[in-house]
Amino acid sequence: AQSVSQHNHHVILSEAASLELGCNYSYGGTVNLFWYVQYPGQHLQLLLKYFSGDPLVKGIKGFEAEFIKSKFSFNLRKPSVQWSDTAEYFCAVNGNTGKLIFGQGTTLQVKP
Amino acid sequence: EAQVTQNPRYLITVTGKKLTVTCSQNMNHEYMSWYRQDPGLGLRQIYYSMNVEVTDKGDVPEGYKVSRKEKRNFPLILESPSPNQTSLYFCASRGQGYGYTFGSGTRLTVV
Repeated sequence: AQSVSQHNHHVILSEAASLELGCNYSYGGTVNLFWYVQYPGQHLQLLLKYFSGDPLVKGIKGFEAEFIKSKFSFNLRKPSVQWSDTAEYFCAVNGNTGKLIFGQGTTLQVKP
Repeated sequence: EAQVTQNPRYLITVTGKKLTVTCSQNMNHEYMSWYRQDPGLGLRQIYYSMNVEVTDKGDVPEGYKVSRKEKRNFPLILESPSPNQTSLYFCASRGQGYGYTFGSGTRLTVV
């Protein structure tokens, strides 16, 4: 069965620190990979997605992620976080069924 | 504007009182899905629908029903809500290229 695991449940950073959130998935076939962000009290918004091609994908708000097929990973990065990046981040995967499976989420708190 | 609309945004109800959360999309998407979000568990799929009159169980379907009588609407029905169904619910639709659009969420409290 497909599953998604996010390494960190709660991350606290100071502004300007670099961010990396880990995401690993288990699925043997071709996958589509996503990172979503949920700001407090809001719905999910797509940060970035990977379908094929260049494994380094750039998303909105300065976020990027790297797909490493051999490691089944899709880690999210940002060189310098801002207070406004405080939110919950979800990694998600879907395979050929189209079903979107989410990780448990990582709460990011950025201190001003 | 392309969107998924859920109603209500907030709902407090009592155990056993039937309720329906509506979901409507204006993008002509065939695929629609319901998720519940709980702390530490992420989002889990309740039901999904590949097209009109085609629905199937997700990972946590117990206590829920859905219907898909027309393409744009995909209501979630709780026939007899219980406190363990207190959660944040999201409806989503998917278009070509696996692009998902999520509704704004419904925060349900069952007392």
